[in-house]
Amino acid sequence: GESVGLHLPTLSVQEGDNSIINCAYSNSASDYFIWYKQESGKGPQFIIDIRSNMDKRQGQRVTVLLNKTVKHLSLQIAATQPGDSAVYFCAENRGGATNKLIFGTGTLLAVQP
Amino acid sequence: GAVVSQHPSRVICKSGTSVKIECRSLDFQATTMFWYRQFPKQSLMLMATSNEGSKATYEQGVEKDKFLINHASLTLSTLTVTSAHPEDSSFYICSAKPSTGGSSPLHFGNGTRLTVT
Repeated sequence: GESVGLHLPTLSVQEGDNSIINCAYSNSASDYFIWYKQESGKGPQFIIDIRSNMDKRQGQRVTVLLNKTVKHLSLQIAATQPGDSAVYFCAENRGGATNKLIFGTGTLLAVQP
Repeated sequence: GAVVSQHPSRVICKSGTSVKIECRSLDFQATTMFWYRQFPKQSLMLMATSNEGSKATYEQGVEKDKFLINHASLTLSTLTVTSAHPEDSSFYICSAKPSTGGSSPLHFGNGTRLTVT
């Protein structure tokens, strides 16, 4: 079936460097995308979202880029900190009012001190 | 704001018994809640959509008689794993969307770790 997938299962970066986590989605009807951070033993925590009528959105230290042409989504974290170590998921909302989210496979971000 | 609480956070039960997991929206009303399960080092898989006052909608492959969902109020949904078996051991996570607020992001609970012995 259709799914949202990630290119890299693990990403190791040095503290202070910028991190880029990628995600590919397959459903062109998806109109809303969210990045979540999940720490061990906890539920997903909202980071940032973007609608399909946008190609970039910035938050505090994070930027999400959306390329609808190639169905690609990325999360950029500036000046990565040890507290950023977690699994990051992208999720897509396939339209409508139900807000049913389909999650990608996840990327483990490991920040080296 | 927008806090979702799950209870219990951990539960161990014997094979054949039933376990109930609660999901509460603490400071907002949620017409719709969602139940996910997550195996170790895997993604969240949507199990069902819980609708207040009506029957839940289950995803393909999820047994509705095994995973009973009740959404009796705008702030509470429950998931009951009936006749649990070791293969039901997993991390169960709920999420809720405020009934008002347009397309605001879903808020997740902190999950329930179920271990069936």
